Amino acid sequence: KQEVTQIPAALSVPEGENLVLNCSFTDSAIYNLQWFRQDPGKGLTSLLLIQSSQREQTSGRLNASLDKSSGRSTLYIAASQPGDSATYLCAVLPNNAGNMLTFGGGTRLMVKP
Amino acid sequence: KAGVTQTPRYLIKTRGQQVTLSCSPISGHRSVSWYQQTPGQGLQFLFEYFSETQRNKGNFPGRFSGRQFSNSRSEMNVSTLELGDSALYLCASSLGYGDQYFGPGTRLTVT
Repeated sequence: KQEVTQIPAALSVPEGENLVLNCSFTDSAIYNLQWFRQDPGKGLTSLLLIQSSQREQTSGRLNASLDKSSGRSTLYIAASQPGDSATYLCAVLPNNAGNMLTFGGGTRLMVKP
Repeated sequence: KAGVTQTPRYLIKTRGQQVTLSCSPISGHRSVSWYQQTPGQGLQFLFEYFSETQRNKGNFPGRFSGRQFSNSRSEMNVSTLELGDSALYLCASSLGYGDQYFGPGTRLTVT
């Protein structure tokens, strides 16, 4: 059974810092990995999707890497801003099992002005 | 293109009642998945429908059921509500397999 863990569970940083969020998964037989952002009480916004054959994806100040063999992914946020404050979730999609995402517990990020 | 829509956005029910939630996927998407989010258990997969057939099912009791219509809209039903069913219910749509787009969710409170 796939298990996804995110460390740290919460993070508070001053504005402008570069930061790294970690995600690990136990079964490397994945189709892709997605990073999502969730604001309080809201739905999920997809930030980056990495296919299993890819090593990284970039979008603006965000960069996500994937090391499938070691079961790890990181989300790098450059020059953090107060508007980045949210919960960040990673989720993995298994091979050949339909759209059944397994989510980590999330990292709650607060960026202080 | 319109995103995934969910109705209603908020719902208050009492124990023992039943509830039906609705999800309209992005136009052209044939897969709809449902997830439950609670503070204690996080986000958990409920079930997925693809072309009106249930393709996957998570580890939830039979009180949780769903269906998908020919226009890909999906409904999920929870019967005999319990306090522990209070949660944010999210649906996601996908063209077929892979990238999923989430709706804003339905907040269900059971009293």
